[in-house]
Amino acid sequence: EAGVAQSPRYKIIEKRQSVAFWCNPISGHATLYWYQQILGQGPKLLIQFQNNGVVDDSQLPKDRFSAERLKGVDSTLKIQPAKLEDSAVYLCASSLVWLAGENEQFFGPGTRLTVL
Amino acid sequence: TQLLEQSPQFLSIQEGENLTVYCNSSSVFSSLQWYRQEPGEGPVLLVTVVTGGEVKKLKRLTFQFGDARKDSSLHITAAQPGDTGLYLCAREAQAGTALIFGKGTTLSVSS
Repeated sequence: EAGVAQSPRYKIIEKRQSVAFWCNPISGHATLYWYQQILGQGPKLLIQFQNNGVVDDSQLPKDRFSAERLKGVDSTLKIQPAKLEDSAVYLCASSLVWLAGENEQFFGPGTRLTVL
Repeated sequence: TQLLEQSPQFLSIQEGENLTVYCNSSSVFSSLQWYRQEPGEGPVLLVTVVTGGEVKKLKRLTFQFGDARKDSSLHITAAQPGDTGLYLCAREAQAGTALIFGKGTTLSVSS
């Protein structure tokens, strides 16, 4: 079974530029998550989709970050304009079910973003 | 708050040694997950503990959930270089929702 795919794996940009990340979840997984992992910390949720609807985006900095999941499959996360503090690994995860205690999430390898 | 405190933050040991890492919270949680993350990869689920006092074993790894369901530990017996990585504990923010992670314990096992 193919895992969660993400691209690009690495991205270096200058502050105030824009960047986009792409995620292809495991086939059949209805729930998709984007996490931000700053060096030395655990992942922090940015946004959660159930099919193509947003479940939770309370921690997404909406003035600069946006995400969409058209057709309930692939997803893109965009940052515009980027700030230095956005340097982090952006992880995409998906899960088959959305039930308490059974929420096994499968993570992609992440995109490492460096903002100069 | 629903913060998860992990300790120690860093651990560097020799192959063959035993170690324990901890995950604590001031709140009760219904379940807790442990993940391992290797450099350049996403976290991979090791185990989910649900019942207070529960002990689960995965080869040389032993996971324990506290009786009050506020804390958990991961014990590794005879550590190997392949155990090197970031160990994260996580809980659901609300039932069936995204995970809240601790900051993790970075383990380095040298041969």
